[in-house]
Amino acid sequence: DIEMTQSPSSLSASVGDRVTITCRASDTVGTYLNWYQQKPGKAPKVLIFAASSLQSGVPSRFSGSGSGTDFTLTISSLHPEDFATYYCQQTYTTPTWTFGQGTKVEIK
Amino acid sequence: QVQLQESGPGLVKPSQTLSLACSVSGDSISSGGYYWNWIRQHPGKGLEWIGYIYSSGSAYYNPSLKSRVTMSVDTSKNQLSLDLRSVSAADTAVYYCARGDHCSDTNCYGRWFDPWGQGTLVTVSS
Repeated sequence: DIEMTQSPSSLSASVGDRVTITCRASDTVGTYLNWYQQKPGKAPKVLIFAASSLQSGVPSRFSGSGSGTDFTLTISSLHPEDFATYYCQQTYTTPTWTFGQGTKVEIK
Repeated sequence: QVQLQESGPGLVKPSQTLSLACSVSGDSISSGGYYWNWIRQHPGKGLEWIGYIYSSGSAYYNPSLKSRVTMSVDTSKNQLSLDLRSVSAADTAVYYCARGDHCSDTNCYGRWFDPWGQGTLVTVSS
C-alpha cells in the first residue's frame, strides 16, 4: 500500500497567517491526490482534487500543488473558519486508496 | 444538490454483522458514471477507505477488509448498502458514505469523494 505522510501533524497559527501543509507519498501517485477539511463532528469536505484543482465553492485562499510524491496545501490567509483538521488522500492505486494521518490547524 | 444519508443500528454485538444503508437524494444513483464509497473513521483517528461500488454492482474492496465486506446497490430505492461480517471492537467507528467522481483529460487526472453523508457511529459491544 502507498503510505501518505503529512507534516506537521498539528500547527498553531493566527488569523491572517499563511499556512502550508505537506503530504508525501511512499510511491508515486501522479496527480491522484486530494485534500479534505474536517471540522469536529462533521464529515470531511473536499477542498482540492487532482492535486491542484479547486473544488467549486471553496474559497480561493486554498490552493494545492505537486505531483508524483510531494504535495502541498496552502491557505494564503487563515480565516477563523479554517481551524480544522486537513487530510490528504491518494486515489492512484485501486483498490488501496489511503489517507494521510491528518494535520490539525489550531488557533495560536 | 445531491445528499447522502447513512442509517443503521448504532450498536452491534461482537461476531455479528454490521449492516448500514446510504440513501441518496437529489440525483439518481445510476447517473453520471459515479462510484459510491464507504469510509470509516475510528474515534479520534484518521480515515480508512472501505471500498466502492458502481450502480452496475461492480465493487472494489480494501484488501484489509475484503474478506468481511460486501457492498450492494438498490437502484429502485436509490440506496447503497454495506455489510461487515464478524465484527469486533476494532470495527467501532463512524461510517460514512460518499459519492466518487473522477476526471481524465489533458489538465486533470484524479478521483475524489464529494459529497459525503453526515456519518453514523457504530459501536461494537456486547
